[in-house]
Amino acid sequence: GAGVSQSPSNKVTEKGKDVELRCDPISGHTALYWYRQSLGQGLEFLIYFQGNSAPDKSGLPSDRFSAERTGGSVSTLTIQRTQQEDSAVYLCASSLLSGADTQYFGPGTRLTVL
Amino acid sequence: SQELEQSPQSLIVQEGKNLTINCTSSKTLYGLYWYKQKYGEGLIFLMMLQKGGEEKSHEKITAKLDEKKQQSSLHITASQPSHAGIYLCGADIVYTGTASKLTFGTGTRLQVTL
Repeated sequence: GAGVSQSPSNKVTEKGKDVELRCDPISGHTALYWYRQSLGQGLEFLIYFQGNSAPDKSGLPSDRFSAERTGGSVSTLTIQRTQQEDSAVYLCASSLLSGADTQYFGPGTRLTVL
Repeated sequence: SQELEQSPQSLIVQEGKNLTINCTSSKTLYGLYWYKQKYGEGLIFLMMLQKGGEEKSHEKITAKLDEKKQQSSLHITASQPSHAGIYLCGADIVYTGTASKLTFGTGTRLQVTL
């Protein structure tokens, strides 16, 4: 079956521009996660969605970052007024249930801010 | 300081040799996940461990979680070039009873020479 998909695979933008990153989770998975992987920080949790509950935004680094999950499926991570330090690979994962359930990752979006 | 320490940071082994990667935490690990990553790709799930003393194997890879649930090891027997990549451990280090907000180690880069 289809895994987690993300688009675009690569995004190059200029400092100050807004970007949107998309994630399509595995069909039927109720939980969706965003992580960021950068050279200096490793892999960091950003935000988590579970069903209709309020998202856990505790990992978002600033108010320039936001995310939505429409209809309990597709999610969009938006970064406003991008900065060079936002350059990283943004990874999305989904799991069937919440709790200690395996998270399956997408291929990521490599964001480069010039 | 890193909450999950992985060692070694990098490893070069000759094909056919065995190797071990360690993942250590000062906190209790409520769920320990091993993933493999290749450049430009997402994380590939390998194994999940939850119970102290648990051990799982898949093909030539064995993962263990110690009794105190603060350290895990990943052992590869008779390594092959296909084992090359970055190995990441991820874990729940804060029990919430709901979602798994994973904290990741810094990764171990494995190269397998012919």
